[in-house]
Amino acid sequence: DARVTQTPRHKVTEMGQEVTMRCQPILGHNTVFWYRQTMMQGLELLAYFRNRAPLDDSGMPKDRFSAEMPDATLATLKIQPSEPRDSAVYFCASGLGSSGGRETQYFGPGTRLLVL
Amino acid sequence: GQSLEQPSEVTAVEGAIVQINCTYQTSGFYGLSWYQQHDGGAPTFLSYNALDGLEETGRFSSFLSRSDSYGYLLLQELQMKDSASYFCAVSNAGNMLTFGGGTRLMVKP
Repeated sequence: DARVTQTPRHKVTEMGQEVTMRCQPILGHNTVFWYRQTMMQGLELLAYFRNRAPLDDSGMPKDRFSAEMPDATLATLKIQPSEPRDSAVYFCASGLGSSGGRETQYFGPGTRLLVL
Repeated sequence: GQSLEQPSEVTAVEGAIVQINCTYQTSGFYGLSWYQQHDGGAPTFLSYNALDGLEETGRFSSFLSRSDSYGYLLLQELQMKDSASYFCAVSNAGNMLTFGGGTRLMVKP
């Protein structure tokens, strides 16, 4: 049963450390999204890839965050240096890239990040 | 920009019907989606409306009125397992979703 996988599932780190989160989209999906979820801000879109090309990262703090897709089976989200305010659940989602806005996004289980 | 409004919390009893409303302000609107998220879990897709009217999927139905920038999710024959957060989200042509703040539904026996 096809699922989006994310690693690590949990991460505790100290302020200033680099954090790398990985996502394997569902095979055959050509869109990948990164979201951040906090109680205060809800679900926020950080980055969006289509066919491995970044289409939108306007929601991502550029000074410390970066997102890449080295290949079609791997998406990464890095934070360097991390700060306590980055503590959140980071979700990766993938989709088939259906046209006209109708796209079901399949979410991974998330990475729960705590920056001390 | 885009903004969505939905109630923060709704409580209902098992077996009842509950409606969760969502109003939105957006440019480049293509459709309204609903996602369910259980505590500690990931959002999962429930429904999508691009045209006005009601879409039914089992116990869940979703409605959209584009002229009123309004939609709702209707849950019938509520079960305890329906206790979760429900998010409406608007999509644009590029398939990007903007989510509302979520409605926490508590189903009581």
